[in-house]
Amino acid sequence: EVQLVESGGGLVQPGSSLKLSCVASGFTFSNYGMNWIRQAPKKGLEWIALIYYDSSNKYYADSVKGRFTISRDNSKNTLYLEMNSLRSEDTAMYYCANIPSEFGVAYWGQGTLVTVSS
Amino acid sequence: DIVMTQAPLSVSVTPGESASISCRSSKSLLHSNGITYVYWYLQKPGKSPQLLIYRMSNLASGVPDRFSGSGSETDFTLKISRVEAEDVGIYYCGQLLENPLTFGSGTKLEIK
Repeated sequence: EVQLVESGGGLVQPGSSLKLSCVASGFTFSNYGMNWIRQAPKKGLEWIALIYYDSSNKYYADSVKGRFTISRDNSKNTLYLEMNSLRSEDTAMYYCANIPSEFGVAYWGQGTLVTVSS
Repeated sequence: DIVMTQAPLSVSVTPGESASISCRSSKSLLHSNGITYVYWYLQKPGKSPQLLIYRMSNLASGVPDRFSGSGSETDFTLKISRVEAEDVGIYYCGQLLENPLTFGSGTKLEIK
């Protein structure tokens, strides 16, 4: 069974840091580019970061550039998102998802909730 | 950034009837390789998004063939034939042509 399982979310104060993890199973994680996508409460989807299958390239949305870092460990089938200088507007459900393959293979995790509030 | 504009904001459909959702991109999503990089997702209530259509017109695995995607370089349509109760949720179009990846604001489908 294919699974992407995020963890690491929680309630933190503005200015704090948090590191999210996404553990993959049931598919060849190292073959896929991976994304972090977030969804603020009652809002739409916002892409925030992408990492190539081999970590050779990383891209960020302007809203998180310089504060968030995406990384991966293919030996552990794990994707990470390190988040620094958190703001209230970073409050959202954070999903990991692969870049859909040429055959439309696309997986999403169940999400991990990050709440930034004093 | 490529802006994805969806319409309508919401649609109410009688079971068994059809529904169409439109999406327009601010830039052509047709790559020089001939592939149009528009995708359609459905987020059912309380769930993660799931892929319905990839590369404009290809049905994702496990998705009923009641769903279909079509379009041009900048104008796209998701059609749902014979709508069922399980189709309720928010539909998003998204572009994977270039970074930043962007999504439409969503269309909520309800059942009458």
